[in-house]
Amino acid sequence: DQQVKQNSPSLSVQEGRISILNCDYTNSMFDYFLWYKKYPAEGPTFLISISSIKDKNEDGRFTVFLNKSAKHLSLHIVPSQPGDSAVYFCAASWSGTYKYIFGTGTRLKVLA
Amino acid sequence: SQTIHQWPATLVQPVGSPLSLECTVEGTSNPNLYWYRQAAGRGLQLLFYSVGIGQISSEVPQNLSASRPQDRQFILSSKKLLLSDSGFYLCAWHLGQGDGEQYFGPGTRLTVT
Repeated sequence: DQQVKQNSPSLSVQEGRISILNCDYTNSMFDYFLWYKKYPAEGPTFLISISSIKDKNEDGRFTVFLNKSAKHLSLHIVPSQPGDSAVYFCAASWSGTYKYIFGTGTRLKVLA
Repeated sequence: SQTIHQWPATLVQPVGSPLSLECTVEGTSNPNLYWYRQAAGRGLQLLFYSVGIGQISSEVPQNLSASRPQDRQFILSSKKLLLSDSGFYLCAWHLGQGDGEQYFGPGTRLTVT
């Protein structure tokens, strides 16, 4: 029972263009969402988060959009750089819990 | 600043052998601690979490166990490894409840042969 889904296992984008990574969730209790970036053989590093009271959060080249009615969030990276090539995980949590539920990840490759 | 250590970085163990992976956190007190496993096509699977010394919550029934003997130490163990235990094991810490980011360690690559 995958409560957080990343349906695209991989994505290739040209350098300088926009990268859009998508994430869907099924649990209506989720009210906090995060994106992590992971390089091979390393731990994930936090990128950006969003609370369910917002529909957009921006940090430099990274913007996360949340559509609660569709239970969908997306991460936009503009402009994409070769150093952005990594696996991206979305994660979700909810008030009153200590748990985080992660998606299966999307491998982004930014082509120079 | 806070840091999180995991060791060993890589481990090759035969089926049926025991396992002990250790995680320690520096620079913070009373963190929530987590063990995850990354297996092919499965994303990050939460195995155990702990909100205090001696308190362990298990998410996935299996032959692994976890212990928290000290505030900033989290140990993942097994008495007898299975082939299916192979994967990349990650420890993480977090403060609070329901929000805020987790901070991950460098991970341990376990191969069971």
